Amino acid sequence: EAQVTQNPRYLITVTGKKLTVTCSQNMNHEYMSWYRQDPGLGLRQIYYSMNVEVTDKGDVPEGYKVSRKEKRNFPLILESPSPNQTSLYFCASSGPANYGYTFGSGTRLTVV
Amino acid sequence: DAKTTQPPSMDCAEGRAANLPCNHSTISGNEYVYWYRQIHSQGPQYIIHGLKNNETNEMASLIITEDRKSSTLILPHATLRDTAVYYCIVKEAGNFNKFYFGSGTKLNVKP
Repeated sequence: EAQVTQNPRYLITVTGKKLTVTCSQNMNHEYMSWYRQDPGLGLRQIYYSMNVEVTDKGDVPEGYKVSRKEKRNFPLILESPSPNQTSLYFCASSGPANYGYTFGSGTRLTVV
Repeated sequence: DAKTTQPPSMDCAEGRAANLPCNHSTISGNEYVYWYRQIHSQGPQYIIHGLKNNETNEMASLIITEDRKSSTLILPHATLRDTAVYYCIVKEAGNFNKFYFGSGTKLNVKP
């Protein structure tokens, strides 16, 4: 089944403890992206990647890092999480066709 | 990318057609209209997209005006499971570097 898989689905962590949210897609898509969603602010793009080793900032990149060493994986790294990064995170991927992004099921992160 | 305007919320009776409007008056010739929906806190789901012709698939129909400045997503027989936030996005074909979601329309399907 074609899908975008994020892990974990839920995570509670403490301020300052580095964490990684994994994202993997099995559709051989070039484009991948990370979004965060907060009440009243909608979906905001954090980072995106156009292909292996090619990444760029979205609208809210502060406090996040990404890497794209393989085409299928696009992990989101929080080096020193803070409470304002408590949010619902979505990973998405897209191929060169016109269908737009396929989204993962989301990761709900709480930083205390 | 062209900006889109959608009503914040709409109601629809179960079994009736839901018609969700979107204005995109600054759309350019190579930009497509995409529709997504998000049910509760699930990942957004692709519904349909089009350039200038009307489109239909198993989920919905997309009607784009001749001047392309507005479009309507039609769910022909809305069910309670169609209650969701619906997003209209205008985007250049094949360029998914930045894919902006606006506020969308919250569709409430009522029994």
